[in-house]
Amino acid sequence: DAGITQSPRHKVTETGTPVTLRCHQTENHRYMYWYRQDPGHGLRLIHYSYGVKDTDKGEVSDGYSVSRSKTEDFLLTLESATSSQTSVYFCAISQNPGQGAYEQYFGPGTRLTVT
Amino acid sequence: AQSVSQHNHHVILSEAASLELGCNYSYGGTVNLFWYVQYPGQHLQLLLKYFSGDPLVKGIKGFEAEFIKSKFSFNLRKPSVQWSDTAEYFCAVTTANNNDMRFGAGTRLTVKP
Repeated sequence: DAGITQSPRHKVTETGTPVTLRCHQTENHRYMYWYRQDPGHGLRLIHYSYGVKDTDKGEVSDGYSVSRSKTEDFLLTLESATSSQTSVYFCAISQNPGQGAYEQYFGPGTRLTVT
Repeated sequence: AQSVSQHNHHVILSEAASLELGCNYSYGGTVNLFWYVQYPGQHLQLLLKYFSGDPLVKGIKGFEAEFIKSKFSFNLRKPSVQWSDTAEYFCAVTTANNNDMRFGAGTRLTVKP
């Protein structure tokens, strides 16, 4: 398994509170991604990063922000959590899609419940 | 943007039955195709991938998939399933020019012993 950890693994929070999820990799991969998984929707990309301080929006970025100050860490922040953000969040990494290394490797996930 | 359709939401099979899960994508250009598996309570794991070359690709655990460009399909097959194949299966696609991996909604496979 790729060296990807996510913290926390489970979190329950109240509506309106800020939440930060952390993804940490030990593979030195350039690209990192945040997805949310919801029944009937598969995985949907929230944001991704293609290098330190380089990020871009994905399909469902509203209400989320990200930061990447080090190669190994990619943070996802919900500035003011809402019940619609209750989901399982997965981090993924890949080497360099531009050079043919397209497959992504996934972390163990974080189950977030917003009450 | 590309999209992915998995038409089977839940498939129930008995052990030793053959499996075929459908996956269709919508994108007219060059694509990279993937099948991932998610066992209960676990993260996604790559089963197999297609980038170019032989359209019949073999993956881990006896799975294979065939890329049919004219049908925009990348169906997953296994000749004889086992109880341990019970999981959710996701088809995914990226294009040659972007990093946006799009997933299908997933197919839940239940294999009865």
